[in-house]
Amino acid sequence: DVVLTQTPPTLSATIGQSVSISCRSSQSLLHSNGNTYLHWLLQRPGQSPQLLIYLVSRLESGVPNRFSGSGSGTDFTLKISGVEAEDLGVYYCVQGTHAPYTFGAGTKLELK
Amino acid sequence: QVQLKESGPGLVQPSETLSLTCTVSGFSLTSYGVNWVRQPPGKGLEWMGTIWNDGSTDYNSALKSRLSISRDTSKSQVFLKMNSLQTEDTAIYLCARDLAYWGQGTLVTVSS
Repeated sequence: DVVLTQTPPTLSATIGQSVSISCRSSQSLLHSNGNTYLHWLLQRPGQSPQLLIYLVSRLESGVPNRFSGSGSGTDFTLKISGVEAEDLGVYYCVQGTHAPYTFGAGTKLELK
Repeated sequence: QVQLKESGPGLVQPSETLSLTCTVSGFSLTSYGVNWVRQPPGKGLEWMGTIWNDGSTDYNSALKSRLSISRDTSKSQVFLKMNSLQTEDTAIYLCARDLAYWGQGTLVTVSS
């Protein structure tokens, strides 16, 4: 199974600070059809996950553009340009290129 | 609008079978697949399996021997059945479409 390693496990930030989360895959996530099925979710406390970014860098409808995704192959990054209070929670990367689909262990974003 | 809602027993005895229903609205099961994901209390997300729009299924290999996912398209319902439950199967069980739409989840506790 593909292992997704997220770093850091915990991130402390002040409001307005820009932060990045890394997601490294144990194998390339480039599908034979040319797509890379790496996505980012945010789970706020007590809520179901919310899709932020899909296919590495595409912003889900309604998601603020302070969120951005980048990367290719095995290395991916989620960046938040100016953290807001509503961004607090646990961020997960998830891959759908190789079955079984797998999630990273999560990165908890806290207020400093 | 797209909605998914999980339902089922909150408490299951060890060694018994779990049966959950995901009732969807706002889309057709013949057009979209539905995923089951679970989350043990305080822990990360685990993909369990998917029933695709054509009715085919994929399962997490770690659960495959115990897990079955089916559907009733006329009722817009997706079913999860998992046997031989143990305490480590205690989790919030969620259904999701595309990772963009999630149910609220249902807590299942395995205990005698």
